[in-house]
Amino acid sequence: GEKVEQHESTLSVREGDSAVINCTYTDTASSYFPWYKQEAGKSLHFVIDIRSNVDRKQSQRLTVLLDKKAKRFSLHITATQPEDSAIYFCAAGNTGKLIFGLGTTLQVQP
Amino acid sequence: EAAVTQSPRNKVAVTGGKVTLSCNQTNNHNNMYWYRQDTGHGLRLIHYSYGAGSTEKGDIPDGYKASRPSQENFSLILELATPSQTSVYFCASGDAPWGGYEQYFGPGTRLTVL
Repeated sequence: GEKVEQHESTLSVREGDSAVINCTYTDTASSYFPWYKQEAGKSLHFVIDIRSNVDRKQSQRLTVLLDKKAKRFSLHITATQPEDSAIYFCAAGNTGKLIFGLGTTLQVQP
Repeated sequence: EAAVTQSPRNKVAVTGGKVTLSCNQTNNHNNMYWYRQDTGHGLRLIHYSYGAGSTEKGDIPDGYKASRPSQENFSLILELATPSQTSVYFCASGDAPWGGYEQYFGPGTRLTVL
């Protein structure tokens, strides 16, 4: 079946540094790529997304890059803060459903 | 603010018993989804729905049924619960039939099957 792989299972950075989480997908029909954040013991909430008609999207400290040829997309977080510590999930989808990666645990050390 | 609620929040069931997980959304979204989250497997789609009366199989539908009696409500039914169905279950709602828009997740239900 189709898959989404998150390359980093854990990532540790110092406060103020940048963090990058990388994902690859297998379904060439995927056209929508959202990212979700899950804080410890809580539910998932949406952080940012990108559609296949663009290759870059920025929202404040977050930037998503999409390389359709390589079937790769990434989340870049600048000026990390302790409250960025969480599990981040990438996902890819087309019609009706999303396939999620396994998640990356980001730890921001003060 | 979008609101998705789930009940119960915690459930302990016995093997072979019937379990119903309920989800309610006040977003007036057409689409609703049921996922389970397990360590090492991430989030996997069980069933989803495009609107009242419709249900579709997701990636891991075996052992589960779904019911969408209204725009607001979407239930997940385990007719014969097994220990392998011990997991955290999340319901979500979204606005696009092709799943292209943000999904709003409920708080989750922790199910333990003994």
